[in-house]
Amino acid sequence: DVKVTQSSRYLVKRTGEKVFLECVQDMDHENMFWYRQDPGLGLRLIYFSYDVKMKEKGDIPEGYSVSREKKERFSLILESASTNQTSMYLCASSPAGLGEYNEQFFGPGTRLTVL
Amino acid sequence: AQKITQTQPGMFVQEKEAVTLDCTYDTSDPSYGLFWYKQPSSGEMIFLIYQGSYDQQNATEGRYSLNFQKARKSANLVISASQLGDSAMYFCAMEDTGNQFYFGTGTSLTVIP
Repeated sequence: DVKVTQSSRYLVKRTGEKVFLECVQDMDHENMFWYRQDPGLGLRLIYFSYDVKMKEKGDIPEGYSVSREKKERFSLILESASTNQTSMYLCASSPAGLGEYNEQFFGPGTRLTVL
Repeated sequence: AQKITQTQPGMFVQEKEAVTLDCTYDTSDPSYGLFWYKQPSSGEMIFLIYQGSYDQQNATEGRYSLNFQKARKSANLVISASQLGDSAMYFCAMEDTGNQFYFGTGTSLTVIP
């Protein structure tokens, strides 16, 4: 019954490393999203994608990039990890269109620590 | 500009009592969707309830209801008969016509036995 999976629950990296966070959904959704969640700040959108090879910047794209080569997979890349990117990263997907069934389905999250 | 505002960082409620979690939103679009999610300590995000901007009636899902006041741009979540398992973070979110979602900062609800 798994719908959205993320490659790791916990990840520890060093400053300057290139980090890949992978997200896969099995619901054939058009839209996929990457958020980071920090205490007191809620969920902030990093990037989203509404189709294969399409991407849009969210509120906090600096220091991140994304890749969507296949419909089911959306990758978040930290080009050179920094300590201020220590956070919980949540991936989500949703179908296209606006309506009752457009709830976002979330993955379990990846807690990234950058040392 | 902040699209979703949740002004209650933390709330307490006695078990079996009702509680209202506040949410106001900001948009000039005529079409939008409003969602509430629950995030227990395990971290998973659980969809609770949806309200469309054109829906005439307030949405209800079991013990959850959404008090939608369009003119005031508010979408408060009402939880009736609180249970210990309701203790969690609650996020209000809005979806715009471009399918982008905007989340509030959340309200931490604690149910007291």
